[in-house]
Amino acid sequence: QEKVQQSPESLIVPEGAMVSLNCSFSDSASQSIWWYQQHPGKGPKALISIFSNGNKKEGRLTVYLNRASLHVSLHIKDSQPSDSAVYLCAVSRTGYQNFYFGKGTSLTVIP
Amino acid sequence: GGIITQTPKFLIGQEGQKLTLKCQQNFNHDTMYWYRQDSGKGLRLIYYSITENDLQKGDLSEGYDASREKKSSFSLTVTSAQKNEMAVFLCASTTPQGNTEVFFGKGTRLTVV
Repeated sequence: QEKVQQSPESLIVPEGAMVSLNCSFSDSASQSIWWYQQHPGKGPKALISIFSNGNKKEGRLTVYLNRASLHVSLHIKDSQPSDSAVYLCAVSRTGYQNFYFGKGTSLTVIP
Repeated sequence: GGIITQTPKFLIGQEGQKLTLKCQQNFNHDTMYWYRQDSGKGLRLIYYSITENDLQKGDLSEGYDASREKKSSFSLTVTSAQKNEMAVFLCASTTPQGNTEVFFGKGTRLTVV
């Protein structure tokens, strides 16, 4: 069974700060890694995905995947109060329909 | 774009009661999921289904039944609600062609008194 661990559990930053969220996973065969954002009372919404070693940038978001260390990180540049939410890391193997989620990081961006 | 509709939004049940949660999607997705979200525990998979009438158990299937009678709908039954249980149940769907986004509903919040 895949184990997904996220850190930190919570984070409070001022508006405009760079935010770094971490996720480690246990199965080196995990191929598909997604970051989801969840606002209170809403379902999770996909933000960005990465499937290959290296990094991927989309707007203010950058994700880094290091398969050797089984680690993925999400970086949010110029954070906004609207970024305040819980961020979930999800991993699965290609061809498998089962995604494993971490417990999430709660981010608060103070205006 | 599509949408996943979960009903009811809030469900209050009594200990020992059988409770059913419903989910409808109009994405025309083949794969559907039921996850349970507890505070501080992340999302845990209860059941998933890769096509109509298919059911696959997740890590948390004990105490639950599921039904996928149509491609667009997936229901979950709590067979015997546990006292003081409180959790959010999330329905989701995706296409089976690997590495694709999973779309979630807004959830059903269950409280057992």
